[in-house]
Amino acid sequence: GAVVSQHPSWVICKSGTSVKIECRSLDFQATTMFWYRQFPKQSLMLMATSNEGSKATYEQGVEKDKFLINHASLTLSTLTVTSAHPEDSSFYICVLAGEWTQYFGPGTRLLVL
Amino acid sequence: EDQVTQSPEALRLQEGESSSLNCSYTVSGLRGLFWYRQDPGKGPEFLFTLYSAGEEKEKERLKATLTKKESFLHITAPKPEDSATYLCAVQIQGGSEKLVFGKGTKLTVNP
Repeated sequence: GAVVSQHPSWVICKSGTSVKIECRSLDFQATTMFWYRQFPKQSLMLMATSNEGSKATYEQGVEKDKFLINHASLTLSTLTVTSAHPEDSSFYICVLAGEWTQYFGPGTRLLVL
Repeated sequence: EDQVTQSPEALRLQEGESSSLNCSYTVSGLRGLFWYRQDPGKGPEFLFTLYSAGEEKEKERLKATLTKKESFLHITAPKPEDSATYLCAVQIQGGSEKLVFGKGTKLTVNP
């Protein structure tokens, strides 16, 4: 299966700052990537679908101007949380869509103080 | 609305005590049902995909089954290393490849 990495694995930032999370595929080219977030004791919730070379599609209730997604290449997608607030503290996971399965990144833990 | 419900929320077993986890779903059309294992602070690890009612898949002590309304993850003679949160997710027919997740079942196996 594909190897997916996320950087950073965890980050602590001050309220009002912006944080960029990278998702890289080391051995798989994905035209579609998903970004999920998971709050404690909650299920993974889809935030947006990212297609290489086009604008991301956001789920209802997710602010596209706050969560900037750039699918720069078939192996790289970035999620930028702009003007982060404590309620944005969560576990962010990227997922690459393969033909028959999906490949999950290890996740990024974000804590906004 | 597409919905996935997992039960129980938490399950404690003694080592060797077999049991089952449930995932019931309400969707417009099922393309596939996925089971994942998630350890604390990590991303989900793929276990199984089931596509049609009656299908079964096995891997070591785990066996997943599927009906038209629900899926079961059977754990036979579990070991402490099977302790994790088990997530169920469905992929909708005719839609994008996105997954709709349940909240998971946290399994603890005591030695």
